[in-house]
Amino acid sequence: GAVVSQHPSWVICKSGTSVKIECRSLDFQATTMFWYRQFPKQSLMLMATSNEGSKATYEQGVEKDKFLINHASLTLSTLTVTSAHPEDSSFYICSASGPLEDQPQHFGDGTRLSIL
Amino acid sequence: SQQGEEDPQALSIQEGENATMNCSYKTSINNLQWYRQNSGRGLVHLILIRSNEREKHSGRLRVTLDTSKKSSSLLITASRAADTASYFCATDSFTGGFKTIFGAGTRLFVKA
Repeated sequence: GAVVSQHPSWVICKSGTSVKIECRSLDFQATTMFWYRQFPKQSLMLMATSNEGSKATYEQGVEKDKFLINHASLTLSTLTVTSAHPEDSSFYICSASGPLEDQPQHFGDGTRLSIL
Repeated sequence: SQQGEEDPQALSIQEGENATMNCSYKTSINNLQWYRQNSGRGLVHLILIRSNEREKHSGRLRVTLDTSKKSSSLLITASRAADTASYFCATDSFTGGFKTIFGAGTRLFVKA
């Protein structure tokens, strides 16, 4: 159980394009979803936390207008990288937890984003 | 700065040997978790230990938690080549809102 599906696995696109990444919890209700960014050989950096039906809480230094997060249902959250540029290239990982607050996070397989 | 800091940063051992990784953190926590990440993949949850627990086992994994020293260790016994991965500790805190913070990770190489 506790499967999280993240799509797409990788994206290559031109600078200026907006890219949407989906994160779905397949067999549980994800009251909270998290979006992380990971640079090569480094740890995960939390970008934002989203609760179903409410606005996401962004970490300091993360641009809200650049990284749009929507958590419209208990099984789906999306991250849209707007007007992506080469410096946005990274590995983005989502996770989901729920329905109780202190349950472990279950991670998607990540999305490798490359902006040319 | 990151809540959890792991050491060593990288560890190379022979198959069959035990691997020990340590994690230190700075503030009070509710839970501490260990995750595994294969290259280019998402994280897999290994084990969660609560702040009132001292030791936990799961198969070949043994986790200890010392809240007085703000540290935890992950022991993998009888390692296998398939254990090669990065291992992260993550601390859960409910202070100022629920948040999980990941350490820098230990890269484990198990040679066959």
